[in-house]
Amino acid sequence: EVQLLESGGGLVQPGGSLRLSCAVSGFTFSSYWMNWVRQAPGKGLEWVANINPDGREEKYVGSVRGRFTVSRDNAKNSLYLQMNSLRDDDTAVYYCGRGVSWSLDSWGQGTLVTVSS
Amino acid sequence: QSVLTQPPSVSAAPGQKVTISCSGSSSNIGKFYVSWYQQLPGAAPKLLIYEDNKRPSGIPDRFSGSRSGTSATLDITGLQTGDEADYYCAAEGGSFSTFVFATGTKVTVL
Repeated sequence: EVQLLESGGGLVQPGGSLRLSCAVSGFTFSSYWMNWVRQAPGKGLEWVANINPDGREEKYVGSVRGRFTVSRDNAKNSLYLQMNSLRDDDTAVYYCGRGVSWSLDSWGQGTLVTVSS
Repeated sequence: QSVLTQPPSVSAAPGQKVTISCSGSSSNIGKFYVSWYQQLPGAAPKLLIYEDNKRPSGIPDRFSGSRSGTSATLDITGLQTGDEADYYCAAEGGSFSTFVFATGTKVTVL
């Protein structure tokens, strides 16, 4: 069974940093693109970033480029999102998702990030 | 603001059909596959349709998708109360060849 489990969310002050993790199981992690998607309270889904199977190619939405870094450790079956210079509008539930056929076919349950003073 | 737009809400009675539109441009839907997601209240999103019209295993055939030009459509037939959820389309084609979700549509079963 494919499983994705995010962790690392919490309360952080504006300008602070946080590192999210996504531990996966049930599939060959090193063969898939992986994604981060967020959802602000009461708002829609926003794709944030993705990374290719070997970790050498990354893409970001414009609003986080230069502040967030996506990475992966294929030996540990884990995906990460390093978030720096956090702003109030980064407050959201962050989901990790597996990329298959130009879609996200499996999702974690999400981890809440709250940016507030 | 997303580059993909959907109607904010649609509604119908149980057993009826709803159609959700997703409008984009030649840079996204006009060029790339569309996927659709269902998000039940308080839950993570779930893939309903990929590559415009394919259903993952376990998704009933009451859900169907299509794409034409710069628009895509999700049809839900035989509407059930359990279908009340938010629905999102998505495609590649944002800035820097990134992925983008539409604004979302809330489906209400009357």
